[in-house]
Amino acid sequence: GAGVSQSPSNKVTEKGKDVELRCDPISGHTALYWYRQSLGQGLEFLIYFQGNSAPDKSGLPSDRFSAERTGGSVSTLTIQRTQQEDSAVYLCASSLGWGNQPQHFGDGTRLSIL
Amino acid sequence: KQEVTQIPAALSVPEGENLVLNCSFTDSAIYNLQWFRQDPGKGLTSLLLIQSSQREQTSGRLNASLDKSSGRSTLYIAASQPGDSATYLCAVETSGSRLTFGEGTQLTVNP
Repeated sequence: GAGVSQSPSNKVTEKGKDVELRCDPISGHTALYWYRQSLGQGLEFLIYFQGNSAPDKSGLPSDRFSAERTGGSVSTLTIQRTQQEDSAVYLCASSLGWGNQPQHFGDGTRLSIL
Repeated sequence: KQEVTQIPAALSVPEGENLVLNCSFTDSAIYNLQWFRQDPGKGLTSLLLIQSSQREQTSGRLNASLDKSSGRSTLYIAASQPGDSATYLCAVETSGSRLTFGEGTQLTVNP
C-alpha cells in the first residue's frame, strides 16, 4: 500500500491477556518506529528498528513489552499479561533510512484493556 | 532528558487569520525538528522537517522557523481555513533516531 498500515485498528481485551499489534511499513523504508499515545503521557517513543535489528529498546515500559521485525518489513509489538495502564493508541511509523528522515505514521491501534 | 513544550495548548481563531504556534525544547543537541498534524482518530501527518543547520522551511501556507541555540521553533500558518483545524505536534529528533514530542496545540478555525 501507499502508506503505513496497522492492524487491528481497535482491540479490546481483558486484563491479563496477551495482545499482538501489527505494522506494515511503506515499501522500501528500512527504519520502523513504535510509539504510544495516551492521555496524560502524550506521545512516547517505544522502540525502533533499522532493518531487523532494534538498536534502542530503552523506551519499552516493561519486560511485558517486546517487538520484532522480520524480512526488513512487517513488525509486531507484543504485550504480555496486559494491564489497564497499557490502554493507549499504539502508533507505528517508518522512514527511508535511519536518522534525519521524515517519519510517516500509520493511523494506530487503539488498545483498550478491560 | 529532552523536554518539549508547546504553547498555547489550544487556540480558536476566525477563518482567514494568520497564526503562530510555539514550540520550545530544553536540549539544543538535536538533529532536526519536525512539525506534524494529527486529525481525530488518525495518525500523524508530517508537515515540515527543519534540519539542525537550517533556519526555516516553507510549504504552501506553512512556514516553520528554528532557533536551535535558544531552543525554539514557531509554526506560522497564513490565511487559516476551517480545514486547518487539528492538533499540531512539534517533535525533536535526538540521538538514536527517537522523536520527543510536545503535548500539542489543538487548533480550531471557525468559518
